[in-house]
Amino acid sequence: RKEVEQDPGPFNVPEGATVAFNCTYSNSASQSFFWYRQDCRKEPKLLMSVYSSGNEDGRFTAQLNRASQYISLLIRDSKLSDSATYLCVVTGGSNYKLTFGKGTLLTVNP
Amino acid sequence: DAGVIQSPRHEVTEMGQEVTLRCKPISGHNSLFWYRQTMMRGLELLIYFNNNVPIDDSGMPEDRFSAKMPNASFSTLKIQPSEPRDSAVYFCASKSRGGPYEQYFGPGTRLTVT
Repeated sequence: RKEVEQDPGPFNVPEGATVAFNCTYSNSASQSFFWYRQDCRKEPKLLMSVYSSGNEDGRFTAQLNRASQYISLLIRDSKLSDSATYLCVVTGGSNYKLTFGKGTLLTVNP
Repeated sequence: DAGVIQSPRHEVTEMGQEVTLRCKPISGHNSLFWYRQTMMRGLELLIYFNNNVPIDDSGMPEDRFSAKMPNASFSTLKIQPSEPRDSAVYFCASKSRGGPYEQYFGPGTRLTVT
């Protein structure tokens, strides 16, 4: 089983749509969880951390289910500028090591 | 403030040649990471430095790869000899002492080995 698995997509949605990404991780000792965003031919950038209680940042909502080892990202009212690859990221037992999923490509269409 | 700086941004070389990638982390950051990204394998950690000392090099694919960090503001990743399967985007990232886990990535070096 891969350490971090994501729905590969691609997701093609119209502007204004709500889209959800899912991710599972294999290491039950994982301590911290993140979503990174990577634009085409650019570097990854932190989108948001994911907390056990769930957290929201504007149109973005992240959820964590430790029992199921499952992470999700919900984007509401999607914009053209949301088009990117979304990377699910998990730390293992070592707090420095980020393990990245292969990413889910989102294209928001006008 | 300047972000992580990498050079060159693009490198095309022939198989067997030596390749050196360079990175300048964000000033004040004490952790530095080298990653490789390919379509097949995604983003993989190659090596991690803390306070200029290599802590984890378990991701370095083989002896052809080596990395150094002679001081807090400079690191190199060297491939010698290069092979076509080394073609990838190589990212350098840095992180501040303690604090949150956010790593700041450089723009990457796109390496093509023919």
